[in-house]
Amino acid sequence: AQKITQTQPGMFVQEKEAVTLDCTYDTSDQSYGLFWYKQPSSGEMIFLIYQGSYDEQNATEGRYSLNFQKARKSANLVISASQLGDSAMYFCAMSGTQGGSEKLVFGKGTKLTVNP
Amino acid sequence: DTEVTQTPKHLVMGMTNKKSLKCEQHMGHRAMYWYKQKAKKPPELMFVYSYEKLSINESVPSRFSPECPNSSLLNLHLHALQPEDSALYLCASSQDHILAFPYNEQFFGPGTRLTVL
Repeated sequence: AQKITQTQPGMFVQEKEAVTLDCTYDTSDQSYGLFWYKQPSSGEMIFLIYQGSYDEQNATEGRYSLNFQKARKSANLVISASQLGDSAMYFCAMSGTQGGSEKLVFGKGTKLTVNP
Repeated sequence: DTEVTQTPKHLVMGMTNKKSLKCEQHMGHRAMYWYKQKAKKPPELMFVYSYEKLSINESVPSRFSPECPNSSLLNLHLHALQPEDSALYLCASSQDHILAFPYNEQFFGPGTRLTVL
């Protein structure tokens, strides 16, 4: 079974600074995907970034980058130049196989607060 | 169109009511999902439809009944719910059900906030 661990229930960062949100995972699958989602207080889950298990380079999407260390089974999200609008809940997730279909397994989330 | 829509946004129902949640996407995605999310918790998967067939049911009580009338629509029929079923219900879709591959991320709708009295 797949497992995602996010050890930081809450994080605080000053506006314009960078912040790293931690995520470790466990799986016996050879091929898997790692995802980060942002959930503002409005409730919608917003896809941020994807990393495939066979990708050798770290994924980047604008101000978001994923620090993928396969041997350590970690997939940390780095947000550069934080903005007030980045305040939200952030979920790390990975793909897992069940019954021939795949599903997302989510971590418990990290609540990020960006201070002015 | 890169949007998943859900109606209604809010729903209040009694324990004897029958209601339905609706989800729609026009991205040509062939996998669709229902999640339940309680406050301050991650989403919990309920059902997965792949190519209009139910592929995963996470042991959800029968008072929740999913339906996929076509590849763009996903319904969740509710009957005889309990107060503990009050939650945010999220619908999502992806290109197909192989999530390990790139460009198969799940796109989520804004959710329906359900209150059961």
